[in-house]
Amino acid sequence: DGGITQSPKYLFRKEGQNVTLSCEQNLNHDAMYWYRQDPGQGLRLIYYSQIVNDFQKGDIAEGYSVSREKKESFPLTVTSAQKNPTAFYLCASSIGDRSWTDTQYFGPGTRLTVL
Amino acid sequence: RKEVEQDPGPFNVPEGATVAFNCTYSNSASQSFFWYRQDCRKEPKLLMSVYSSGNEDGRFTAQLNRASQYISLLIRDSKLSDSATYLCVVRYTNAGKSTFGDGTTLTVKP
Repeated sequence: DGGITQSPKYLFRKEGQNVTLSCEQNLNHDAMYWYRQDPGQGLRLIYYSQIVNDFQKGDIAEGYSVSREKKESFPLTVTSAQKNPTAFYLCASSIGDRSWTDTQYFGPGTRLTVL
Repeated sequence: RKEVEQDPGPFNVPEGATVAFNCTYSNSASQSFFWYRQDCRKEPKLLMSVYSSGNEDGRFTAQLNRASQYISLLIRDSKLSDSATYLCVVRYTNAGKSTFGDGTTLTVKP
């Protein structure tokens, strides 16, 4: 079964704690992305990676960090520096060839709540 | 001004109605366009890629107007199951990232 998995589905964190969200894909995609979605709003790009061992900041990277050590995996760490981390976090992947047909496919998401 | 703008709605229509959503984009270097569907508390799922001047898939028709910089999505014969939020997505030439609109919410009622 090919696809993108994210874990956990729900995550609760105390203020001041770092937390890492998992994203794994077995689609053999080169590109992976992390988005944040707040209620009633669209998706905002946090970080993206076009290839292993390389990644770029998106529009709202402050307070987040990522790594891309393996093609299949793109974990996101929400640090204590992120002022308002409660949100729905979505991971996506695409072939990454930058052709006009290059399409992003999403994992089921992780809901993070800071208590 | 946002790079990608959508009418947030909500659009409330009866079953069987035809409904259209518009999406405008500000960067003329835009290359690729997509419509995604997002159900409540779920991930977005690809509905249609939009290429050339437009394309059709069953009850769904997407159109692209590069001169006016907008994309539209037309849904004919609306079903209850079409109730969702529809996200417009634009990717710019040679860019590795895409920009999402905030979405248009559709509710189809019996």
